[in-house]
Amino acid sequence: EVQLVESGGGLVQPGGSLRLSCAASGFTFSSYWMHWVRQAPGKGLVWVSRINSDGSSTSYADSVKGRFTISRDNAKNTLYLQMNSLRAEDTAVYYCARGRELLSRWGQGTLVTVSS
Amino acid sequence: QLVLTQSPSASASLGASVKLTCTLSSGHSSYAIAWHQQQPEKGPRYLMKLNSDGSHSKGDGIPDRFSGSSSGAERYLTISSLQSEDEADYYCQTWGTGSLVFGGGTKLTVL
Repeated sequence: EVQLVESGGGLVQPGGSLRLSCAASGFTFSSYWMHWVRQAPGKGLVWVSRINSDGSSTSYADSVKGRFTISRDNAKNTLYLQMNSLRAEDTAVYYCARGRELLSRWGQGTLVTVSS
Repeated sequence: QLVLTQSPSASASLGASVKLTCTLSSGHSSYAIAWHQQQPEKGPRYLMKLNSDGSHSKGDGIPDRFSGSSSGAERYLTISSLQSEDEADYYCQTWGTGSLVFGGGTKLTVL
């Protein structure tokens, strides 16, 4: 069974850092592009970042460029999102998702709250 | 600029059918999209890929009650024989140069 399980969310102060993880199982992780998508409370889905299958190419939304870094460890079947200089507006549930142009599998999400 | 537009809300009665719309911005009418369902307090679930010619391919385990169609820049999701568990938010999604784009979502209420 295909599974994506996010972890690492929590409460962090403005300006702080957090690293999210997404553990993948049930499929050949190294063959797929992966994405992070977030959803602020009561709001819609917003794309954050993507990484290609071997980790050699990444892309970011303007709102997080220079602050967030996406990476992956194909040996550990794990996707990461390093989030630095966090702001209140980064408060959201963060989902990892599998796919290149369309997202065919999603995780259950992990909540990040940025507040003092 | 690539933008997807959805109505914020829709409603239909139990057992009836409903057609949700996603509109592609000008100049992007040939784009394929994906439809995703998000039930309350859950992560999104992929429903289908929908091409500009109306052909579509559904995700694993998606019931036949869910179907897609297209007309020009409009992409539709039709849900027939509505059930209570269909009450959810529905998002369309496409892809541009180096990024993904989501519509604002439609909240479907089953009466």
